[in-house]
Amino acid sequence: EVQLVESGGGLVQPGGSLRLSCSASGFTFSDYAMFWVRQSPGRGLEYVSGVSSNGGSKYYADSVMGRFTVSRDNFKNMVYLQMLNLRTEDTAVYYCVRLFALYDFWSGRFDCWGQGSLVTVSS
Amino acid sequence: QSVLTQPPSVSGAPGQRVTISCTGGGSKIGAGYDVHWYQQLPGTAPKLLIYDNHNRSSGVPDRFSGSKSGTSASLAITGLQAEDEAIYYCQSYVTRLRGWVFGGGTRLTVL
Repeated sequence: EVQLVESGGGLVQPGGSLRLSCSASGFTFSDYAMFWVRQSPGRGLEYVSGVSSNGGSKYYADSVMGRFTVSRDNFKNMVYLQMLNLRTEDTAVYYCVRLFALYDFWSGRFDCWGQGSLVTVSS
Repeated sequence: QSVLTQPPSVSGAPGQRVTISCTGGGSKIGAGYDVHWYQQLPGTAPKLLIYDNHNRSSGVPDRFSGSKSGTSASLAITGLQAEDEAIYYCQSYVTRLRGWVFGGGTRLTVL
């Protein structure tokens, strides 16, 4: 069974830092690009960041560019999101998500989701 | 406000048919990229419902169907059931934003 389990969320002050982790199991982790998608309280879904299957390519939404860094460890089946200089508008549930893309990477779908990790940025 | 526009809410009685639209803000939706649909039940993570415009994900009843044409995509649900109450999101890749984009979501209420 495919499983994605996030950890590392919590309460942090504006300007602070936090690192989210996602542990993957049940599939060949190194075959898939992995993403982070967030959902602010009562709001919709927002793509945050992604990393290619070998870690060589990384993608960021404009809203987090320069503040967040995505990485992965294919030996440990882990993906990480390092978040710096956090803002109140970063408050959200952060989902770790697998991208399935058979032929066209950009048309890939988010086929597996973790349960989410809540990040609250508040003073 | 997402560049993929969905109605905020739709409703229907049990057994009825509803459709949820997803438009690309005047542009050809997806501009060559596939559109996918997700269902988010209350208090849970989103789940892939329809992929590549019209393919049902594993275990999804055939009451759910998707289509894409020109400037819009649609999700249709027939034979509405109470368990279909959820928020539905469309998603595609938008070149000019250099990113994967979700629609704003549509809350389905079964009356």
